Amino acid sequence: SQQGEEDPQALSIQEGENATMNCSYKTSINNLQWYRQNSGRGLVHLILIRSNEREKHSGRLRVTLDTSKKSSSLLITASRAADTASYFCATGGGSARQLTFGSGTQLTVLP
Amino acid sequence: DAGITQSPRYKITETGRQVTLMCHQTWSHSYMFWYRQDLGHGLRLIYYSAAADITDKGEVPDGYVVSRSKTENFPLTLESATRSQTSVYFCASSESILAGGPATYEQYFGPGTRLTVT
Repeated sequence: SQQGEEDPQALSIQEGENATMNCSYKTSINNLQWYRQNSGRGLVHLILIRSNEREKHSGRLRVTLDTSKKSSSLLITASRAADTASYFCATGGGSARQLTFGSGTQLTVLP
Repeated sequence: DAGITQSPRYKITETGRQVTLMCHQTWSHSYMFWYRQDLGHGLRLIYYSAAADITDKGEVPDGYVVSRSKTENFPLTLESATRSQTSVYFCASSESILAGGPATYEQYFGPGTRLTVT
């Protein structure tokens, strides 16, 4: 079963708007990661936030982590049509480096 | 080519046949992983390996076999394919720690193999 659950399952916005995706998880974690998957392609790592961090930025991406609520959010600012993809959160814990993925949010950015 | 590659990219096989999916990475990463991706289930971990000759089960290992005799290769074998194994399979790799730096956890994914079992 998935550790992380993304919300919403699908999101459609206009180019230039901000997109926010949320992820909830169940057990304690070492880190939480976000990945993007373009249609028919493999996943690409976007950003990692460790359990002792609350917020992290990378370009147009902003990730927050609330370990007390076991939740994270990914904000994409000033979205572009090229941001159209599925976005997955993945939680990691322990030394085995296993990741447990959520079922993803399908983001569509309309030009 | 540098990176992580998978072959074949597409495969159609019949129920009961054995099929092997190949994964090769050029980074000498310690960790390698096999996932399957199905609609409504996201990615689920099948098997992973922390180093050559060290493998362990993930969430959905039944019906699959892996080996890792060399660091760069991590083949996944379906011993007797079933229709429920129709899926897209992704291989990924990860380094344990960067030289002189902190532990890393990012995984790098291959392009995937779309397998259809008829």
